[in-house]
Amino acid sequence: GAVVSQHPSRVICKSGTSVKIECRSLDFQATTMFWYRQFPKQSLMLMATSNEGSKATYEQGVEKDKFLINHASLTLSTLTVTSAHPEDSSFYICSASVGTGGRNEQFFGPGTRLTVL
Amino acid sequence: AQSVAQPEDQVNVAEGNPLTVKCTYSVSGNPYLFWYVQYPNRGLQFLLKYITGDNLVKGSYGFEAEFNKSQTSFHLKKPSALVSDSALYFCAVRLNSGYSTLTFGKGTMLLVSP
Repeated sequence: GAVVSQHPSRVICKSGTSVKIECRSLDFQATTMFWYRQFPKQSLMLMATSNEGSKATYEQGVEKDKFLINHASLTLSTLTVTSAHPEDSSFYICSASVGTGGRNEQFFGPGTRLTVL
Repeated sequence: AQSVAQPEDQVNVAEGNPLTVKCTYSVSGNPYLFWYVQYPNRGLQFLLKYITGDNLVKGSYGFEAEFNKSQTSFHLKKPSALVSDSALYFCAVRLNSGYSTLTFGKGTMLLVSP
């Protein structure tokens, strides 16, 4: 089946630093990748949608300059949390979409736990 | 706009008993419906989906769900719960045409007691 990996799985950083999270589709080429954020005991909130080679589309309320998304290839997307602060601490999950139109399917990565001190 | 409601924050069931986790949806068109399970500090694992066809969908780990168009529901069920089924369950919906993103419910914690 389609496998999506994320790296790192867990990161702890100091306030003010930047953190990069990688999302890779291991055995397929993803037409689209999605980034979600999940707070404790809450649902997944879509942050942005990215297509290879084009700018990401951010959901309302998500700061583009804060959460930089680069989708360099059909198998790799990165999310960089710039100048991280404690309120950015969260569980970040990516997913990769295969196919086009109404039947495209999403496969989820295992998530990255970010803790900002 | 599309939305998903999971009315129960938590469902408690004894091992061996049947379980139901409720989900209702709202979408302007025909839906694709999904159930995912999440274990602590892990990503989402796909359980099952409804695209078209039979209203009763069978998925992983013995789970099944029934699509009910008139009630706009897609409840998750299992005939006999296991302690290892204890996890957070998410229902999700998207339109089945064109491009549409997944909308998730808030999740239901399932606790299966020995």
